[in-house]
Amino acid sequence: DAKTTQPNSMESNEEEPVHLPCNHSTISGTDYIHWYRQLPSQGPEYVIHGLTSNVNNRMASLAIAEDRKSSTLILHRATLRDAAVYYCILRPLQGAQKLVFGQGTRLTINP
Amino acid sequence: DTGVSQDPRHKITKRGQNVTFRCDPISEHNRLYWYRQTLGQGPEFLTYFQNEAQLEKSRLLSDRFSAERPKGSFSTLEIQRTEQGDSAMYLCASSSFGSGNQPQHFGDGTRLSIL
Repeated sequence: DAKTTQPNSMESNEEEPVHLPCNHSTISGTDYIHWYRQLPSQGPEYVIHGLTSNVNNRMASLAIAEDRKSSTLILHRATLRDAAVYYCILRPLQGAQKLVFGQGTRLTINP
Repeated sequence: DTGVSQDPRHKITKRGQNVTFRCDPISEHNRLYWYRQTLGQGPEFLTYFQNEAQLEKSRLLSDRFSAERPKGSFSTLEIQRTEQGDSAMYLCASSSFGSGNQPQHFGDGTRLSIL
């Protein structure tokens, strides 16, 4: 399973942008980059995914480096409800369907 | 609410007892997954079904664990002769058929505590 590396924790202020980094230097050409988050006492929640190009949705933006060895999840204007553990996961286009979670980044939002 | 539903939300039992959890996936999803999560760790994959066929099992799924999805709809996860180490959150997820870009939708889990 391709490995990702994320900081253990990050802190930001409410209403400010947050940039959550992820390194995946061993990514293969057909691996998708997925982000999930887990709020306290809840199951993980899908946030966004991409392959090569940057992606935007109502929750966040995903910026993917040109060499695809790193990516950044961007929360444009953090709220207290964005406090969660954020997981960066690589998923192959074909083959294994399971998600392989690492430790993730625990994001704290200060009011 | 048409999300993934898990029952019960909490289960407390004595060591050695058998427990069964149920998962109702999103109705049009034909893939269903079970994960286990211990405190402070990310979820770990246990097994997954495509319709009623169990296609992959983790080595974490010892012979005391069995999962079924008899009609390709809901699924059950049974743990026999529970041990202290089985205390964890058991998460179920579902997704539609497709390639690696299909997101998985999770329930809020069943928290198992072994006394």
